[in-house]
Amino acid sequence: NAGVMQNPRHLVRRRGQEARLRCSPMKGHSHVYWYRQLPEEGLKFMVYLQKENIIDESGMPKERFSAEFPKEGPSILRIQQVVRGDSAAYFCASSPGGSGTDTQYFGPGTRLTVL
Amino acid sequence: AQTVTQSQPEMSVQEAETVTLSCTYDTSESNYYLFWYKQPPSRQMILVIRQEAYKQQNATENRFSVNFQKAAKSFSLKISDSQLGDTAMYFCAFYTGANSKLTFGKGITLSVRP
Repeated sequence: NAGVMQNPRHLVRRRGQEARLRCSPMKGHSHVYWYRQLPEEGLKFMVYLQKENIIDESGMPKERFSAEFPKEGPSILRIQQVVRGDSAAYFCASSPGGSGTDTQYFGPGTRLTVL
Repeated sequence: AQTVTQSQPEMSVQEAETVTLSCTYDTSESNYYLFWYKQPPSRQMILVIRQEAYKQQNATENRFSVNFQKAAKSFSLKISDSQLGDTAMYFCAFYTGANSKLTFGKGITLSVRP
């Protein structure tokens, strides 16, 4: 059973460009979570999605960031007009459901560098 | 709001010895879940162990065990017979049924010396 897949693993963008990060959850998982890890910090929650629905986006910056999880295909985290402060590792996790009984399993992360 | 505190930034242990990593948390919820995740140099986040707050028995997974003190809101990880592959950052995390997000501590860097 393949784990959570994320691509690309490394992404370099210049200031003002767009970054698209993809996440394919584990087979049978319909809940996806995005977290951001700044250097020397723990992971910070950004957004929680189910298929075609955003359930909780309380951790998402109000501007430039958006996320989706379409009926078909991977979940996408999109950052428009990137700035140097967006440089971080972005992790996706998935779970079978959204209840407290479900453990979140993480992908390998995408390291975004903004030049 | 929930908070997770890992006050030790780094620790070092000799191979084959035992080490304990500390974690405290704060919440007003009565039903919640606690986790330890490991992040090796590859930066992959790997689940080490999970504890349900309603269970009094401490969770164990092979060489990894926890000391869960609910009244003190303490959740420490004990690694027995440390191995070189245990070298990593370790994050304590917390999850309630009231929301779906994991709250992480800042992590502790563990180095296992040969």
